[in-house]
Amino acid sequence: GAGVSQSPRYKVAKRGQDVALRCDPISGHVSLFWYQQALGQGPEFLTYFQNEAQLDKSGLPSDRFFAERPEGSVSTLKIQRTQQEDSAVYLCASSFQGGGGTEAFFGQGTRLTVV
Amino acid sequence: AQTVTQSQPEMSVQEAETVTLSCTYDTSESNYYLFWYKQPPSRQMILVIRQEAYKQQNATENRFSVNFQKAAKSFSLKISDSQLGDTAMYFCALHPQGAQKLVFGQGTRLTINP
Repeated sequence: GAGVSQSPRYKVAKRGQDVALRCDPISGHVSLFWYQQALGQGPEFLTYFQNEAQLDKSGLPSDRFFAERPEGSVSTLKIQRTQQEDSAVYLCASSFQGGGGTEAFFGQGTRLTVV
Repeated sequence: AQTVTQSQPEMSVQEAETVTLSCTYDTSESNYYLFWYKQPPSRQMILVIRQEAYKQQNATENRFSVNFQKAAKSFSLKISDSQLGDTAMYFCALHPQGAQKLVFGQGTRLTINP
């Protein structure tokens, strides 16, 4: 596709439900990132993939958060037993390579609201 | 630890004026990259300008330029001849050389008034 695509754009979940957020990166992009953006804040890093390998998951806030990219393309961020503090916009970004200075292209994000 | 601080939560200027957004950062890395991203209401982050720390010359992209002061760890963004379409959240971000992630500031909400 022309850009990074995320789905759904909006998700409302009841507390305790599991959710899955999808990211389709730009074709051929090796690196994929997930960020969490709370209301009125800057994005915070969650995790990083190089192809199918998850090389950094230091930003995942708890073991309820899990991300995968099994074929090195589409990625899914899963949140189990959602809690109200999980409410945020989840941004996905991809880049051609992971080197510093490489432009990361962002999707429009998924706004998750936990009620 | 890497941190980015944007001390101006909101700014507002008239169309065609020049505006400067402030950013300071902290890192122990000797080389790194700095970015300004724009986030309109659509939520999609758009790269405005980037600067590599070892380059002394300030980056420029059309109406956008930066004032990079490495010793002071300051990286401000100047928007000249501001346009209504510049209205957005602006985020300063740091990419340390050894890490594969961006560290963002809290953002500045910029409004350009007609």
